[in-house]
Amino acid sequence: ETGVTQTPRHLVMGMTNKKSLKCEQHLGHNAMYWYKQSAKKPLELMFVYSLEERVENNSVPSRFSPECPNSSHLFLHLHTLQPEDSALYLCASSPQGQGGGELFFGEGSRLTVL
Amino acid sequence: GQSLEQPSEVTAVEGAIVQINCTYQTSGFYGLSWYQQHDGGAPTFLSYNALDGLEETGRFSSFLSRSDSYGYLLLQELQMKDSASYFCAVKGGATNKLIFGTGTLLAVQP
Repeated sequence: ETGVTQTPRHLVMGMTNKKSLKCEQHLGHNAMYWYKQSAKKPLELMFVYSLEERVENNSVPSRFSPECPNSSHLFLHLHTLQPEDSALYLCASSPQGQGGGELFFGEGSRLTVL
Repeated sequence: GQSLEQPSEVTAVEGAIVQINCTYQTSGFYGLSWYQQHDGGAPTFLSYNALDGLEETGRFSSFLSRSDSYGYLLLQELQMKDSASYFCAVKGGATNKLIFGTGTLLAVQP
């Protein structure tokens, strides 16, 4: 138990579907992140929110839309995805500024796009 | 830009010592982190080195040489449960964000 909970753990969707991934952290952190993890590739930083404000958008396609309604919750809204978007999507949190480089990750949402 | 290199796979036996190396290139450097990820699990933080030298935490140690842009993770008295992927990550660059390597899959054999 890392204090970061992601739902759903597994998601299968067609290219025309709309779905959302949810992340909740119980650690009192002020920064939240979305990472994409694909096989044989480094974790790719997608979005960073600090105090509910987006501070990083790492050239992510607009078919991924993040939302951070408060410092404990983070969403990733998905629409018209492509098969190459199939991956593990990891949410993480940290004290503001990442401090000593320590992120607290959830177990991820495994997404399959058909 | 930023890039990190680490071996893709390492195999060792129980009770042995293994070293996982990481070399990095970054414009602006604040520190090197290590994470462990078991299959199907969340990456978990192991260590962070901001200064040169060796940091020891139980069976795991991490080393950094800023002048060589190099670090390593040392795992001693290996146990079967240490079988996992290990990622190095650099904190730095223009936006001070954490960038990860591709990971090293460690297989511990009996």
